Amino acid sequence: DAKTTQPTSMDCAEGRAANLPCNHSTISGNEYVYWYRQIHSQGPQYIIHGLKNNETNEMASLIITEDRKSSTLILPHATLRDTAVYYCIVRVWFYALNFGKGTSLLVTP
Amino acid sequence: DAGVIQSPRHEVTEMGQEVTLRCKPISGHDYLFWYRQTMMRGLELLIYFNNNVPIDDSGMPEDRFSAKMPNASFSTLKIQPSEPRDSAVYFCASSLPSVSGDYGYTFGSGTRLTVV
Repeated sequence: DAKTTQPTSMDCAEGRAANLPCNHSTISGNEYVYWYRQIHSQGPQYIIHGLKNNETNEMASLIITEDRKSSTLILPHATLRDTAVYYCIVRVWFYALNFGKGTSLLVTP
Repeated sequence: DAGVIQSPRHEVTEMGQEVTLRCKPISGHDYLFWYRQTMMRGLELLIYFNNNVPIDDSGMPEDRFSAKMPNASFSTLKIQPSEPRDSAVYFCASSLPSVSGDYGYTFGSGTRLTVV
């Protein structure tokens, strides 16, 4: 799997958009970008994934650059409940997920 | 659906004892994964199954660890004998990837294991 690089931590004010970056410069053509999050003491939760097109669901939007070497997860209106560790993972579809250290997002009132 | 169910939620055992963790995946999911999480090492994949068959157990730390999936609705992770360094949160996850869609893994609530 391609390696990913994420900032260790980020802050965001409640109600504002949270933009979480991820670099994956060695991504291969058949590798997808996945985002998961883990709220304290809970199991990780799937957020969104994409191959090359931008994706949106009820939780978030995923923006993938045209060269696919980086992506951004956008939480459009962050709430206190979005405080969590966010993992960006790149992998071939149906292979097992390998989690890195992720970004610790703190949403403040 | 009740989601992925793990038991027990908490386990405290003495060093040298056998520990068995249990997992019930979501009905119809054909992939099952066991992960371990510690502060030092983060989330580590231990083993995963497809249609009850172990596919990759390269993450299992040593022979003291074993995992089975006797049927599509049940899996166990056993540690024998247990050691203090096995203390961690153990997560089970299941998934049903398909060509038409991939809804990701669904994780259980985890089992917090403490070996004293």
